[in-house]
Amino acid sequence: EVQLVESGGGLVQPGRSLRLSCAASGFTFDDYAMHWVRQAPGKGLEWVSGISWNSGSIGYADSVKGRFTISRDNAKNSLYLQMNSLRAEDTALYYCAKDNVKFRRFLEIAYFDYWGQGTLVTVSS
Amino acid sequence: QSALTQPASVSGSPGQSITISCTGTSSDVGGYNYVSWYQQHPGKAPKLMIYEVSNRPSGVSNRFSGSKSGNTASLTISGLQAEDEADYYCSSYTSSSTLGRHVVFGGGTKLTVL
Repeated sequence: EVQLVESGGGLVQPGRSLRLSCAASGFTFDDYAMHWVRQAPGKGLEWVSGISWNSGSIGYADSVKGRFTISRDNAKNSLYLQMNSLRAEDTALYYCAKDNVKFRRFLEIAYFDYWGQGTLVTVSS
Repeated sequence: QSALTQPASVSGSPGQSITISCTGTSSDVGGYNYVSWYQQHPGKAPKLMIYEVSNRPSGVSNRFSGSKSGNTASLTISGLQAEDEADYYCSSYTSSSTLGRHVVFGGGTKLTVL
C-alpha cells in the first residue's frame, strides 16, 4: 500500500524558516517524480515544487522561487521542502504527492495519483 | 502563472449528468493534452479522477469522463450520486517562453448533489 506521510509543519513567524519532510513507502520511491502541492485555508490547490526521480530536474512556482528548496533522499525514501523567508501568504496545508508515471521526462507533466494527508504551516507573528 | 478558470459551483439531482468546465489558454489547456481532474471531499486529500484529458485511473468509476475542445477542458459526471458531492479541480501542464514550464490548477468547483 502506498503511503505518504508529511511532517514538519507548525506555527512560524514571518521571515523564519521551516523544513517539511515526506516519508514514502509502498512503492519504488526512486522511480517517480515527487511534488509539493499546497492549499491555503478555504482555498484551492497550488502547485509548489517538483523534483524528478533522480533529482536531475527541479521546478518551482514563481510564488516560492528563490525562497523554497526541494530535495529528496532516495536511500531514505524521503522528500523534503526547505522553506525560507516565510510569508503570511505561505500559510497552507502542504501535501506531498507522487507522480503516476515512472521516469517521467518532463517534470511539469504531472498527474498526482497518491497524496499524503498534509502538514499545516501557519506563518504568523 | 494564472490559474485555470472553473465555475465556482455546479449542482444536479441524483441520476442526472453534470459538466464542469476548465478554461485556459493556448499555453496550457489548448496547447497540450496534459489535463487532469481531481476530486476532493471536505477534510480529505485530493483524488486523481482523470489524466491526459480523458484517461481514468484504475478504480475510478466510468461515470466520470473527460474531454477537451480548444482552450476548454471538461469533466462530465453521469448518473450523479450523493457521494459525488465534493470539490473538483482541473490541472494542466503550462509552458511559455517567458514563464517556463509549470503545473497550474483551476480555482475549483463545488459540486452539490440536490
